[in-house]
Amino acid sequence: DQQVKQNSPSLSVQEGRISILNCDYTNSMFDYFLWYKKYPAEGPTFLISISSIKDKNEDGRFTVFLNKSAKHLSLHIVPSQPGDSAVYFCAATLTGANNLFFGTGTRLTVIP
Amino acid sequence: DAMVIQNPRYQVTQFGKPVTLSCSQTLNHNVMYWYQQKSSQAPKLLFHYYDKDFNNEADTPDNFQSRRPNTSFCFLDIRSPGLGDAAMYLCATSPRVASAGNEQFFGPGTRLTVL
Repeated sequence: DQQVKQNSPSLSVQEGRISILNCDYTNSMFDYFLWYKKYPAEGPTFLISISSIKDKNEDGRFTVFLNKSAKHLSLHIVPSQPGDSAVYFCAATLTGANNLFFGTGTRLTVIP
Repeated sequence: DAMVIQNPRYQVTQFGKPVTLSCSQTLNHNVMYWYQQKSSQAPKLLFHYYDKDFNNEADTPDNFQSRRPNTSFCFLDIRSPGLGDAAMYLCATSPRVASAGNEQFFGPGTRLTVL
């Protein structure tokens, strides 16, 4: 049973515009959420995270928003750049767990 | 640069022929993980080592085994690969077991093909 879902397999955005990637989860016990970015032929690299005690975390062009009541988080990239083109994975975990629960990923294409 | 290295990057094996995938890390992290990722699916944790402590996920098939001879190295052994085991295998490390603020660092993966 997929506990973390990314329902959009792909997203295309014009350079300079905002990219919004969405993620839903089912386990209300999750208390920490992460976004990973993956280029072809490379492993996922950590991008940004958010604890469940916050509803927003910002790092440069990347902002993650968390809506606990809706069990939804989103990653905003502003402005989008061609180098942002990659697969983005949402992941969730809970304190004390060993596992990161991943979504299936969203392929972002930023068009120059 | 501190990193997670996986060898080989591409591995071809025959149905039923044992295969070993290798992972090494220079991060000196306590925890090492093995994930399986099939096409268009989420990475799925197979097992992890916390130091020398082996922790198997409940649904990991017996066909998959792991060894961690020292802090730096971890191996994934597939005893009798089936066609369904063709996947990307990702190794990851973290300083300690998952907790708030504890992200995992991934290697580039080994793509396994089973003929």
